[in-house]
Amino acid sequence: AQKITQTQPGMFVQEKEAVTLDCTYDTSDPSYGLFWYKQPSSGEMIFLIYQGSYDQQNATEGRYSLNFQKARKSANLVISASQLGDSAMYFCAMRDLQTGNQFYFGTGTSLTVIP
Amino acid sequence: DGGITQSPKYLFRKEGQNVTLSCEQNLNHDAMYWYRQDPGQGLRLIYYSQIVNDFQKGDIAEGYSVSREKKESFPLTVTSAQKNPTAFYLCASSLGRKDTQYFGPGTRLTVL
Repeated sequence: AQKITQTQPGMFVQEKEAVTLDCTYDTSDPSYGLFWYKQPSSGEMIFLIYQGSYDQQNATEGRYSLNFQKARKSANLVISASQLGDSAMYFCAMRDLQTGNQFYFGTGTSLTVIP
Repeated sequence: DGGITQSPKYLFRKEGQNVTLSCEQNLNHDAMYWYRQDPGQGLRLIYYSQIVNDFQKGDIAEGYSVSREKKESFPLTVTSAQKNPTAFYLCASSLGRKDTQYFGPGTRLTVL
């Protein structure tokens, strides 16, 4: 069964505007972690932000924030004030914290920032 | 600087040959992982190791082998039994099995 779903294969955003990248997940584990990674054309996966299932507040890291809606099982990434360097692939991932043995990755969203 | 290194960056292999991809970390992380990425897809887990001298198969372990003789090192061997080995390979590590994974720069393997 698909654990992580990213329904937007490609997104475009104007420089300096905000953009939301969608992610929904599926788990029966009450304790889990949600992650977002950025993959530029160089290939390296760069960790952006983490949200724990029991965290009361939405996670924020600089221009990145995670819109966590537990009842809907969604963990959307919001990038504010987009920059040209934000153009990359973005992957949502989940880890069940009870087993903790592996991450489940979505298929990614390609973001292009337009000057 | 602490981090994860992978070598080589690009690797070309003839059919029928085994090749070994290197992954080294100096983050003092206990857990290490190997993933495979194909175009337009997410990452799929090949093998992972939570402690030295122990490792488990992931979702697509067939045709691959690993060793974990040192905490810092987790080499991946792509054997001739792997039918379609051309892909981008990423190594990752985490402090423990429940912690954030950090990735190396990757190795792009092409079979000629």
